[in-house]
Amino acid sequence: DSGVTQTPKHLITATGQRVTLRCSPRSGDLSVYWYQQSLDQGLQFLIQYYNGEERAKGNILERFSAQQFPDLHSELNLSSLELGDSALYFCASSDSAGNTIYFGEGSWLTVV
Amino acid sequence: GIQVEQSPPDLILQEGANSTLRCNFSDSVNNLQWFHQNPWGQLINLFYIPSGTKQNGRLSATTVATERYSLLYISSSQTTDSGVYFCAVGYSGGGADGLTFGKGTHLIIQP
Repeated sequence: DSGVTQTPKHLITATGQRVTLRCSPRSGDLSVYWYQQSLDQGLQFLIQYYNGEERAKGNILERFSAQQFPDLHSELNLSSLELGDSALYFCASSDSAGNTIYFGEGSWLTVV
Repeated sequence: GIQVEQSPPDLILQEGANSTLRCNFSDSVNNLQWFHQNPWGQLINLFYIPSGTKQNGRLSATTVATERYSLLYISSSQTTDSGVYFCAVGYSGGGADGLTFGKGTHLIIQP
């Protein structure tokens, strides 16, 4: 158990819909990262938050957004979903040094 | 951005065998981590190793930053070692700041 909690574990939704994925980082970790894993793109970095502020942005689509709340949990919002958004979405967290990142178990998203 | 190449892409071994997985990267990094993704999809951090050598049980890793590669050694393989091994690299002033992952080495250990 990495200490990073993600919900929901599985999600099936229709094209055009919007979903929210939730992540609670390890106790004390200030950084939260979101990654997408798909068969064709592999593991891709989406976005990082540090203590409530956006710190780095990767290959995140404009239809996607994220935020980190004062209690440090984070949410990834995916809207206008397309079939190609079906993937495993990981949240990860690290301490302020950021030397080691720990991944949650992921949220499996299927868009039908 | 940084390019990460892992080899071999696939590896099938018998239980008890040793293996070496390689990660080449295209630019200077100050963060390099190895991960194991098990058949259930869980990503487990094995090593944080931007340079030097580390060992943890049957696993060890070496990074030669000046030559831009890292090696992961698995000795006396067990079936539970099966899965995909990822190398991830990054460079930042502090914090992981979005690691770039390679495509992974898919390892199958047969009993």
